[in-house]
Amino acid sequence: NVMLTQPHSVSESPGKTVTISCTRNSGRIAGHYVQWYQQRPGSAPMIVIYEDKERPPGVPDRFSGSIDSSSNSASLTISGLKTEDEADYYCQSYDSNKYAVFGGGTQLTVL
Amino acid sequence: QVQLVQSGAEVKKPGASVKVSCKASGYTFRSYNIHWVRQAPGQGLEWMGLIDPSGDSAGYAQKFEARVTMTRDTSTSTVYMYLTSLTFEDTAVYYCARGRWGWALGYWGQGTLVTVSS
Repeated sequence: NVMLTQPHSVSESPGKTVTISCTRNSGRIAGHYVQWYQQRPGSAPMIVIYEDKERPPGVPDRFSGSIDSSSNSASLTISGLKTEDEADYYCQSYDSNKYAVFGGGTQLTVL
Repeated sequence: QVQLVQSGAEVKKPGASVKVSCKASGYTFRSYNIHWVRQAPGQGLEWMGLIDPSGDSAGYAQKFEARVTMTRDTSTSTVYMYLTSLTFEDTAVYYCARGRWGWALGYWGQGTLVTVSS
């Protein structure tokens, strides 16, 4: 079964840049688009990156996504951190075009 | 605008079943898959399955395959998720979500809390 592994938590100061990784354990990361979701406490998730690096309308360009085939991983980078970015972030992809899978989530603290 | 409105909170006893609804509006109902994702208290997101409203075909995560059924009613643009043989571990918020770009879940319902308690 495909698994996506994320760090449990990351923290950084306002104005800085943080990167969250998402490593796929089997199958190529390239060719299986990765999405990223932001979830604030008590709210439904909201998509911030789709298809590895595309930003939905309304998502600030401080959010960017990338993949690295050599490490079979995807990354979400948030620059110019704001306190409002403090949330849980989940990567998501799929397998055999039949099943979706989420990473375990990363708690971002902006302090 | 696209909206997914889910049914209200449920409290069920172990061994019971639950049916959660998700009413879609603001787009052509048959054109996009609806996914179900759940989140246990303090835990991460867990994909349960999806339904294609155009043909009523569904695909389920292996973990739920024996206990879950997803159906749709095109006359009311509503999707249903039916989960049987509930245990305490099924206590969670259940979300419906609509695909927007392929497997990207661009729109989410507000969530339905299902509590399994004796």
